[in-house]
Amino acid sequence: NAGVTQTPKFRVLKTGQSMTLLCAQDMNHEYMYWYRQDPGMGLRLIHYSVGEGTTAKGEVPDGYNVSRLKKQNFLLGLESAAPSQTSVYFCASSMTGVNQPQHFGDGTRLSIL
Amino acid sequence: AQRVTQPEKLLSVFKGAPVELKCNYSYSGSPELFWYVQYSRQRLQLLLRHISRESIKGFTADLNKGETSFHLKKPFAQEEDSAMYYCALRYNTDKLIFGTGTRLQVFP
Repeated sequence: NAGVTQTPKFRVLKTGQSMTLLCAQDMNHEYMYWYRQDPGMGLRLIHYSVGEGTTAKGEVPDGYNVSRLKKQNFLLGLESAAPSQTSVYFCASSMTGVNQPQHFGDGTRLSIL
Repeated sequence: AQRVTQPEKLLSVFKGAPVELKCNYSYSGSPELFWYVQYSRQRLQLLLRHISRESIKGFTADLNKGETSFHLKKPFAQEEDSAMYYCALRYNTDKLIFGTGTRLQVFP
């Protein structure tokens, strides 16, 4: 099993460009999450999903949109990229239930010029 | 509001020394706490969770509800323990909030 796979691993964008980050998991997990990781700030939750067809806002949702059309995929979109969105983005998934851990992807390093 | 605080950005020790990475939390409900670790060039992964009361790679963490702490401890640090460590609190059933992380450096 690959676990959680993120595509792409690196990307450089110009301000105003759009792009979509793809997260795929093969563990049949209900929950999926998108985080951003910035120096000195840890991981902050952008959006998450508790099941196919559902999404919800996390701690820092502005400037991002998400979709969960299939259970195994969770897409993160940047409609008009800004330099403040330069970050490392992590996707995670988990089973439902008490004390279930989250499983993370390798991350996507995104630079906005 | 829920919060996780890791007061140390960097902790440097020599091999064989004891290690304690501090984590304090603020949460009105019943806490579910985790420690995650990120080794160089690897993905973030679960180290241990409080409910399991387990020892992983020699690390343990005890939940102290009175002090609202979940410190990570290891009696004898190894060089391969060098990594970024994150304490995390699960809240509202399905979300995690992470601390800002502590980088552990173990010198030979």
